[in-house]
Amino acid sequence: GEDVEQSLFLSVREGDSSVINCTYTDSSSTYLYWYKQEPGAGLQLLTYIFSNMDMKQDQRLTVLLNKKDKHLSLRIADTQTGDSAIYFCAEGGYQKVTFGTGTKLQVIP
Amino acid sequence: DAGVIQSPRHEVTEMGQEVTLRCKPISGHNSLFWYRQTMMRGLELLIYFNNNVPIDDSGMPEDRFSAKMPNASFSTLKIQPSEPRDSAVYFCASSSRWGGSYNEQFFGPGTRLTVL
Repeated sequence: GEDVEQSLFLSVREGDSSVINCTYTDSSSTYLYWYKQEPGAGLQLLTYIFSNMDMKQDQRLTVLLNKKDKHLSLRIADTQTGDSAIYFCAEGGYQKVTFGTGTKLQVIP
Repeated sequence: DAGVIQSPRHEVTEMGQEVTLRCKPISGHNSLFWYRQTMMRGLELLIYFNNNVPIDDSGMPEDRFSAKMPNASFSTLKIQPSEPRDSAVYFCASSSRWGGSYNEQFFGPGTRLTVL
């Protein structure tokens, strides 16, 4: 079955890098995603990576995928207070997507 | 575009009452998803539709839950009768990509349901 796991909480100081980790079980997943949820709002797609890639960089965001270990990570460089949110890892094919439990990122000024 | 619209934003009801949550997807999107979010269970997929047809309702917790999509611009999630353990934030999301590409889902703001 599909299962996506994340640690629940991460605290970092402003200006440091944040690394949020995720493990998934479905090896047939075509895409892996990172969504961001700000307080009182719905989720918003932050970035995604195709399963045949091992890295994707987008400004301050770096996604690393280890398909062998079914491990996905999101690195946020120069973390800002505005990055405080819940980050969801997700995996899926062309239809439904399975979300992880979410990691709450707290940025300390 | 206004994005995915959900109503009501907040709903407080008493146990045993019927609750209807509403969703208007983004115009042109052909897939619609209903999720429930709680502290204990995280984000759970309840049901999803493609071209107004339910594809997978295996996440619907009980027969008390039902969902409909009578047309491309409207969907409802109904709970009858409601129970305190149904208290959660319910999200609707829509997507225009079905097959052949990554699946970006656009989420509504959610309906916070409290059942007393």
